Amino acid sequence: DVKVTQSSRYLVKRTGEKVFLECVQDMDHENMFWYRQDPGLGLRLIYFSYDVKMKEKGDIPEGYSVSREKKERFSLILESASTNQTSMYLCASSLHRGNTEAFFGQGTRLTVV
Amino acid sequence: AQRVTQPEKLLSVFKGAPVELKCNYSYSGSPELFWYVQYSRQRLQLLLRHISRESIKGFTADLNKGETSFHLKKPFAQEEDSAMYYCALSGTGFQKLVFGTGTRLLVSP
Repeated sequence: DVKVTQSSRYLVKRTGEKVFLECVQDMDHENMFWYRQDPGLGLRLIYFSYDVKMKEKGDIPEGYSVSREKKERFSLILESASTNQTSMYLCASSLHRGNTEAFFGQGTRLTVV
Repeated sequence: AQRVTQPEKLLSVFKGAPVELKCNYSYSGSPELFWYVQYSRQRLQLLLRHISRESIKGFTADLNKGETSFHLKKPFAQEEDSAMYYCALSGTGFQKLVFGTGTRLLVSP
């Protein structure tokens, strides 16, 4: 059974703070994704990675960066958190190139005050 | 560019009524299309994908390349079908997985 685990369910951070959201998968998946989920806007792709140390921008990368030093871990970094980054963040992984069934984490609800 | 459109934010039906959740896509190549579902307080999960041509929980979806659509259908809705449904698209080879804005299905008794 695939498991994608996000380190926090809820986070509250102050404006200007550097924020790290961590995601770990235990099934040796090559692809990992970060989305934000907002009412009325659906899931919007922030960044994805298809291999260790590889990353690609999604549709809304501004204000975010990512790190993938190990295959199982994909981190999302908010360099200087702002209130418009208050959202639900979802991490996902999928097996390999061409197989894009994605397995999702439980989500991290981030509030920036 | 890959794009997925779900025109309905909310679909409200009575138990036993037919359901159709609409999905249209934009992609120049051969897409791979999916429906994902999120039940209350659960994580997002795959419902079905077009290449498997399965019926899952009574739901089916047919890819219509001429109309660039992938509508989700069920002949008789159940209360437990109430959830958020997302249509998603991925292109050939490795491409980003893009989602629509979602449709909330509410099935009333």
